Amino acid sequence: AQSVTQLGSHVSVSEGALVLLRCNYSSSVPPYLFWYVQYPNQGLQLLLKYTSAATLVKGINGFEAEFKKSETSFHLTKPSAHMSDAAEYFCAASLGQLIWGAGTKLIIKP
Amino acid sequence: DAGVIQSPRHEVTEMGQEVTLRCKPISGHDYLFWYRQTMMRGLELLIYFNNNVPIDDSGMPEDRFSAKMPNASFSTLKIQPSEPRDSAVYFCASTAGLPDSPLHFGNGTRLTVT
Repeated sequence: AQSVTQLGSHVSVSEGALVLLRCNYSSSVPPYLFWYVQYPNQGLQLLLKYTSAATLVKGINGFEAEFKKSETSFHLTKPSAHMSDAAEYFCAASLGQLIWGAGTKLIIKP
Repeated sequence: DAGVIQSPRHEVTEMGQEVTLRCKPISGHDYLFWYRQTMMRGLELLIYFNNNVPIDDSGMPEDRFSAKMPNASFSTLKIQPSEPRDSAVYFCASTAGLPDSPLHFGNGTRLTVT
């Protein structure tokens, strides 16, 4: 069965530091993969998606994610954190059914 | 496009009352999802529709919950009777297709049952 694991329910980084949010999927076939962001009191919105065209995917707000089949991973990164990046981030995998990770709250320290 | 529209944004009701949440998906999207989000349980899929037909309602917690999609531009989620444990944020989302199209979420309805 498919599953999505996000390591760390909370991640804290200093402003200007590298952001790394981890996501691993479990399925026998590489799924479509998504990262969503949720700001307070809002719905989730798409950051980026992987659909097999390229392993490095660039998204909005300077985020990118790299698909690594050998590691069944799709980690989200941003070179330099900004205070406005503070939000909850969700990884999701789809092979028809959409499976969500538990989410990671990103905290930015001034 | 206005995006997915949900109403009301906030609902406060007393235990035992009926609650109806409403959703207007993005025009042209064939799939509509209802999710519930709480601190304890995170994001839970309640039900989803394809072309107005319910496909998977295994996430609907009890018979107190029901959802309808009478046409392509409107869906409701009803709770009758409501209980305090139903307090959560309920999201509606739509997409043009599975599995590769992303979901577009509304801003949610925050339900408080006292």
